[in-house]
Amino acid sequence: QLHLQESGPGLVKPSETLSLTCTVSGGSISGSGHYWVWIRQPPGKGLEWIGSIYFSGSTHYNPSLKSRLTISASTYSNQFSLKLTSVTAADTAIYSCARGTAFEAFDVWGPGTLATVSS
Amino acid sequence: QSALTQPASVSGSPGQSITISCIGTSSDVGAYDYVSWYQQHPNKAPKLLIYDVVNRPSGVSTRFSGSKSGNTASLTISDLQAEDEADYYCNSYKKTNTPHVVFGGGTKLTVL
Repeated sequence: QLHLQESGPGLVKPSETLSLTCTVSGGSISGSGHYWVWIRQPPGKGLEWIGSIYFSGSTHYNPSLKSRLTISASTYSNQFSLKLTSVTAADTAIYSCARGTAFEAFDVWGPGTLATVSS
Repeated sequence: QSALTQPASVSGSPGQSITISCIGTSSDVGAYDYVSWYQQHPNKAPKLLIYDVVNRPSGVSTRFSGSKSGNTASLTISDLQAEDEADYYCNSYKKTNTPHVVFGGGTKLTVL
């Protein structure tokens, strides 16, 4: 059974970089034909798609975050990662990784990890 | 403000049917059959209910169905049950200079 788990620091200072990793177990990120996705949800608010990556390295980014965002993948580690630079309080959210197609049908989710931007 | 418009809340009694709308534009919902719906219970990860407008993943109850007309997608839940009380989100592919995904703002379903 496929399992996704997010990890990373829970607290980041304003203007610094948020780095998160999603570890995939029970399946390979390179073997399924799926995209691997980051989605966030500010506390008490709705979902926001951050971006997606194929194991080959092909990426799609949210235009509103593109200038600050890098998503990468490691088939060796069976992980994919997110780096969001110059964070502000508006980036405080539960960050979740998921599996899907490039643009929809996110069918397996991690439990999510809260990242708080505060000094 | 979310890119797709959903009602903030809907309600229904057990056994009834309800429909949640998801209004987009000719650049997203109206242009492609790449609309999904998710159910989210409090403090839980979202669960995929519908993809490609009308398809249900294996294991999802047949009480959940999706449809689309023009720029509006809809999720219908029939034979409403207490455990259906949750937040529901739609999402769509959006084709612009930079193809990306847009979500609706979410709808709180209350089972009376």
